[in-house]
Amino acid sequence: QTVVTQEPSFSVSPGGTVTLTCGLSSGSVSSSYYPSWYQQTPGQAPRTLIYNTNTRSSGVPGRFSGSILGNKAALTITGALADDGSDYYCVLYMGGGMVFGGGTKLTVL
Amino acid sequence: QVQLQESGPGLVKPSETLSLTCTVSGGSISRYHWSWIRQSPGKGLEWIGNIYYSGSTKYNPALKSRVIISVDTSKNQCSLKVNSVSPADTAVYYCSRWFDYYYHMDVWGKGTTVTVSS
Repeated sequence: QTVVTQEPSFSVSPGGTVTLTCGLSSGSVSSSYYPSWYQQTPGQAPRTLIYNTNTRSSGVPGRFSGSILGNKAALTITGALADDGSDYYCVLYMGGGMVFGGGTKLTVL
Repeated sequence: QVQLQESGPGLVKPSETLSLTCTVSGGSISRYHWSWIRQSPGKGLEWIGNIYYSGSTKYNPALKSRVIISVDTSKNQCSLKVNSVSPADTAVYYCSRWFDYYYHMDVWGKGTTVTVSS
């Protein structure tokens, strides 16, 4: 069974830039997996950030961007704010269903 | 603006059936597709399944044998049933609107907590 992989944790300084990635245990992520990204703060429901690799959802600030980097999907936060400290999940469309990555806990300090 | 609200029993006994409802406001449920996702305590998110406005469904293979998702258009509600639950089914359950163009969720409910315990 193919697993969607994400870094368990990451740290960035306020104002800095960070790139979180989303890979596959076997194979490469491409745009045909329609990667999407979701932000979740503790105790809250997820919030949709990015879909279709690089399309920002309504109301999402421009400092969030998505891309394919090498064989992975990527979420880049440029000019990180303290409020960006959250869990980030990628989702890939595979086999007619959705598979979540394990999530990345981002700390901004 | 579409809003979603999950509801259902907060406590279910092992081996029984978990039943949850997602009430859609601000739009017709029959115009869209819907997803259920869950999150076990301290864990990541897990996709449970989708129901399409055609009424067809797609489930996570790991849960397929125990899950049924349905829609009641008269009540503008989407329902989730999970049979033969165990403590491993303890989680926060979310419903969301799902788009089959670009395959993503956009609107999410706030979630409802279900504990499986005797």
